[in-house]
Amino acid sequence: AAGVIQSPRHLIKEKRETATLKCYPIPRHDTVYWYQQGPGQDPQFLISFYEKMQSDKGSIPDRFSAQQFSDYHSELNMSSLELGDSALYFCASSLAVDPNEKLFFGSGTQLSVL
Amino acid sequence: QKEVEQDPGPLSVPEGAIVSLNCTYSNSAFQYFMWYRQYSRKGPELLMYTYSSGNKEDGRFTAQVDKSSKYISLFIRDSQPSDSATYLCAMSAGRSNYKLTFGKGTLLTVNP
Repeated sequence: AAGVIQSPRHLIKEKRETATLKCYPIPRHDTVYWYQQGPGQDPQFLISFYEKMQSDKGSIPDRFSAQQFSDYHSELNMSSLELGDSALYFCASSLAVDPNEKLFFGSGTQLSVL
Repeated sequence: QKEVEQDPGPLSVPEGAIVSLNCTYSNSAFQYFMWYRQYSRKGPELLMYTYSSGNKEDGRFTAQVDKSSKYISLFIRDSQPSDSATYLCAMSAGRSNYKLTFGKGTLLTVNP
């Protein structure tokens, strides 16, 4: 079965650079969530989108922005990168219309800021 | 105080042992309770999902939720080396696929 696809798998950037992370949800899924997991930390909710509109916002810095496109894929844009942004960034998708639909995670993008 | 507390371990057990993993939480609005398994540098994989209080069994895994005590557990019977991973509890107040609040995860090693 198709899963959530994230790209790139690894990304190395320097401070103050920008980064773009991409997420392709499971086919038919209309909701995308972004989570950030620091080393040894639990995943923290950043932001979510439903039908291309932002549906909820968590602890996402103002330097970050995200959007969901017409094909339901999503991109997380990160500017003025800081060392503390180094983390594993997960995307998850679900089907909003089914309240029992579970959340499925991608393998993540490992961002290292040097 | 974090909304969800989970002992990070590490927990090391011999193959075949029964493993008990637990989380406590403070937010009484949580209705959906999940256990995820995460291998190193991989995305969390949903193992068990429970709505409200009660038990749920799936193969070697049993999830228990006690909302009165704000306490959830995951039991793994006949543990295998392939069960070695980090186990994260997660909860949500809204729909099961609403934004999740995770525990810090417990690192489990099952020794052959």
